[in-house]
Amino acid sequence: DTAVSQTPKYLVTQMGNDKSIKCEQNLGHDTMYWYKQDSKKFLKIMFSYNNKELIINETVPNRFSPKSPDKAHLNLHINSLELGDSAVYFCASSQGQINQPQHFGDGTRLSIL
Amino acid sequence: QQQVKQSPQSLIVQKGGISIINCAYENTAFDYFPWYQQFPGKGPALLIAIRPDVSEKKEGRFTISFNKSAKQFSLHIMDSQPGDSATYFCALGYNKLIFGAGTRLAVHP
Repeated sequence: DTAVSQTPKYLVTQMGNDKSIKCEQNLGHDTMYWYKQDSKKFLKIMFSYNNKELIINETVPNRFSPKSPDKAHLNLHINSLELGDSAVYFCASSQGQINQPQHFGDGTRLSIL
Repeated sequence: QQQVKQSPQSLIVQKGGISIINCAYENTAFDYFPWYQQFPGKGPALLIAIRPDVSEKKEGRFTISFNKSAKQFSLHIMDSQPGDSATYFCALGYNKLIFGAGTRLAVHP
């Protein structure tokens, strides 16, 4: 039973396209996150949702739009993809917002051609 | 600006040895200090975490040492095994995690 699952695992697309990544957690957590890991393995938070409400929005281009239809799902839509968007995107979840262990999915590797 | 500085960038240890990874931070607003382990192709997984009211926490072969006055914390892996070969990240926590740059650990048999 995968706790935090992301689809797709790999995404290869052309510059300028629009793409979405989906995330689902079956842990019953109320908080979900998106992180970006670059080619040097640096991990940085992008967004956080608590009970479907956006609570953290780091300095991320407007081309990135998260959506949380319910507590168990957090999707990431990216418009007009650029070369610099190539990275691994991780979804994570936790129970509560403050100082709680975060459970990560296995990532979506996005490659822009 | 890097809020947490992690060192070394990479580490090679012989099987059975001790692996030590260090992190230093500036902002004292954080009060949760986890370490995550990441294997290739996988997401980070929580290894061990400490809060600033204790100076040391041990779970099996993994120990966090925390020095609040020096604003430093470290991960010690005792009796390191080849299966411990992974990338390790320290983090500062509050309502989000701020990660260090990572340490790539290789344990040679």
